[in-house]
Parts: sequence; C-alpha cells; structure tokens
Amino acid sequence: GAVVSQHPSWVICKSGTSVKIECRSLDFQATTMFWYRQFPKQSLMLMATSNEGSKATYEQGVEKDKFLINHASLTLSTLTVTSAHPEDSSFYICSAPQGAQRQPQHFGDGTRLSIL
Amino acid sequence: AQSVSQHNHHVILSEAASLELGCNYSYGGTVNLFWYVQYPGQHLQLLLKYFSGDPLVKGIKGFEAEFIKSKFSFNLRKPSVQWSDTAEYFCAVNAEGGRRALTFGSGTRLQVQP
Repeated sequence: GAVVSQHPSWVICKSGTSVKIECRSLDFQATTMFWYRQFPKQSLMLMATSNEGSKATYEQGVEKDKFLINHASLTLSTLTVTSAHPEDSSFYICSAPQGAQRQPQHFGDGTRLSIL
Repeated sequence: AQSVSQHNHHVILSEAASLELGCNYSYGGTVNLFWYVQYPGQHLQLLLKYFSGDPLVKGIKGFEAEFIKSKFSFNLRKPSVQWSDTAEYFCAVNAEGGRRALTFGSGTRLQVQP
C-alpha cells in the first residue's frame, strides 16, 4: 500500500485561484520531502526541497512566491500554487525519503492541476 | 549537477520479447542509480537500485540492470516481457553522500502487445 498520500489527485480551477496540494507520509516521519513537476511526455523536474521546521529550498528558476511550501509537521508538507495561471497546469508529485541515506524514497500518486 | 539520458522514448514489444532500456548519466562523482516504474494511474514504484558492489542488480518482477561505470550506463533488462509490464520507466540518479533528491531521465514508455 501507499506510504505517501498526496491529495487531491486532480484539480480543475479558474485562473487566479490558489490551489493547495498536500503530501503526507504514512507510518513514518519525513523531515524532508521533495516536490517535482512533470510536463506531458517529459521527465520529473525537482522544484523544491521541503524541510520540516525551516524554509524550503527552491531550485533555480522556481518562483518561491508562486509555489509556497510549508512543512509544518514531520508527516505533512503542502505546496500552494498561488494565483494559478494556465501555464501552471502540470502534474505535481511529492516524495519522501524514509530512513537513512540508502533507504528508499516513496512517491505520492501525483496531482494533476488544470487551470482554465 | 547530475543529468540522465534515456534514449528510448517509446518502445513497443510483443509478449515474451526481451527488453533492454538504455540509461546514461553524467556526473563526476559517485552516484546511486535507480529504475522506477509508473503503471497507468499509479505512483512511481522502485524497480531496483544500485549503490555499490555487484554491478548487476536484480529487482522486482524479473527486472535487472547492469551498472557499467566506464560507460556511465545503467541499462534495464528483462528477458521476457509480459503485457502487465506496460508502463512508463524512469531512470534516476542522486549523488552518493549528497542530497537525496533524484534527477530523472525523460522516461521510456513501454507498450507490450499480447
């Protein structure tokens, strides 16, 4: 069964709306979570690293004011796409590493975001 | 920074055919290597991983991969595919001792025809 729960799985909303995506680790604590974005027929690209109790680390070219990340507890990270526009439409996936360096990472099912 | 290249974007095979998906990476240091599979409508699942030791690693569902350091390659193989192997396959790397975020290849869509 899934060890990382991502919600919602699909969102359709109007341009200008803010959308929050949740990523929860089940049965384990994750001080770090990762947020990826996947464009159609392309690879997953790391957007940011979510750190429990501190600021997220964003990859180059990712607008931190656009993609707000909050990691308020050891099992929950949220990604909020603020004032979303059609170009933000994409597939967003979170992952959480479990345990030591060489332990597996667990991925959420992803959230398909469609901005009209 | 690392980069990953998957040469086959879309592969179509008949059941029982052998499979080899190419993966090459670029990085000056030691890497950890992974293959993930994404079945339609499901999350990414780990097929196999390589950290060190025997360069031939065996994963789940009959998959294996061979790390060839001199070629910076980590190709995925399966001797006989099944219809249920239809999925998207991603090669990924991260730096040993570095951050755990993964750098993914562009993925290969495998379609197995019955």
